[in-house]
Formats: sequence, structure tokens, C-alpha cells
Amino acid sequence: KNEVEQSPQNLTAQEGEFITINCSYSVGISALHWLQQHPGGGIVSLFMLSSGKKKHGRLIATINIQEKHSSLHITASHPRDSAVYICAVINFGNEKLTFGTGTRLTIIP
Amino acid sequence: DVKVTQSSRYLVKRTGEKVFLECVQDMDHENMFWYRQDPGLGLRLIYFSYDVKMKEKGDIPEGYSVSREKKERFSLILESASTNQTSMYLCASSLWGTGDYYGYTFGSGTRLTVV
Repeated sequence: KNEVEQSPQNLTAQEGEFITINCSYSVGISALHWLQQHPGGGIVSLFMLSSGKKKHGRLIATINIQEKHSSLHITASHPRDSAVYICAVINFGNEKLTFGTGTRLTIIP
Repeated sequence: DVKVTQSSRYLVKRTGEKVFLECVQDMDHENMFWYRQDPGLGLRLIYFSYDVKMKEKGDIPEGYSVSREKKERFSLILESASTNQTSMYLCASSLWGTGDYYGYTFGSGTRLTVV
């Protein structure tokens, strides 16, 4: 069993839909990252959070430390949101990242 | 405003060549990391460094070495490149005790092909 599990692995939605991607982890963490990778592109860190909720534009990330679960939400989705979204946890005490396998999101116009 | 710079975006090398992948960060971060990304396997940690001249093996160090002579530069070395090292290589840096800061920053990646 992977230490970081994401769901779904693939998600296709119509433009404008509300998107949720989930991440569960089994290790002790100091923080969690949501990352975005466009096809052929590098990785961009969208959020780093250790508690509660963060919002940036149409993106919202939440984390529940007790339940070891985080969600990434996209409101009013747009084709340019099409990318792979990766959850990564910072292991407590050593700053190393453990990655989920990613969620491939496709938004259809 | 580029903060973690990888020297090459695309690289093609021959089997047996010695390959250097360079990474430079301008944020005065203590920690630097090299990952590789492969389809179906996700991102895996090769080596990391917590300070100048310090290095630690990650999950898949075989066939690689690293050098960190200056705080801002972390080099990944493929001593004798092999075709199974064809991959996307990502460098990252971070700061201790980042709390709510964006303390983890990635480079744009180097896509290495070994022929």
C-alpha cells in the first residue's frame, strides 16, 4: 500500500464543473503540498498547508490532520486547468517529500 | 522570477557517457533534492542534501552520485549513463521549518534521453 493515495486517478469533466481531488496518507507529516504539472511541463507548487484551508483564485485546498486526508477543489473549471495534480506530503522530521501517483484532470470545453 | 534553475530542459546522451545535471537556487535554501519522474512510478527521490558538502541517499541512488560544493548548487551525476536512466529529472529546494511558507520549490525539469 502506498503511503500517499490519490483518487481518482483520471477525471474528465465539462468546463464549469466543480472538481474535487482527494488525497489520503498514512505517515506522520509536517505539511502537505498540492502540485500541478501540465503536459511536458515542470511542476508548480499550488499550495502547501499544514492545517485548515487555503484559497487561491478558483483553487481551494483543505486538510484534516486527524483523518490524514486532504482535498483539492477547483471551482468553475476551465480547459486550462487540464493537468496532472499531485499530492505530496513532507515527512515529519526529515523534509523529504512522498508523492501520490497523481490525478490526470481533463476539462472539456 | 525563476528561483530553481535546471541547466538543461532537454538532453540526449549516449550510453556510457558521464552526465552532469545542474541545479541552482537563489533562495538561500538549506535543503536540495533530486527526483526522477517515470510514467506509472511517479516521482522518486534519488539524493538529497541538507547542507553544503552533505548528501544523503534517497530511495533510488544506484547509478547516481551528487555534489554540493556551494549552498546554491546541487549537481546530479550519472557516472556511466544507461538507457534505464532515461527519465525526467526534477530538482527542488526547501527551507527548514517552513510552516505556512512556500518553502518547497521545484525546477522546471530536465528530460534526459540516453541512447
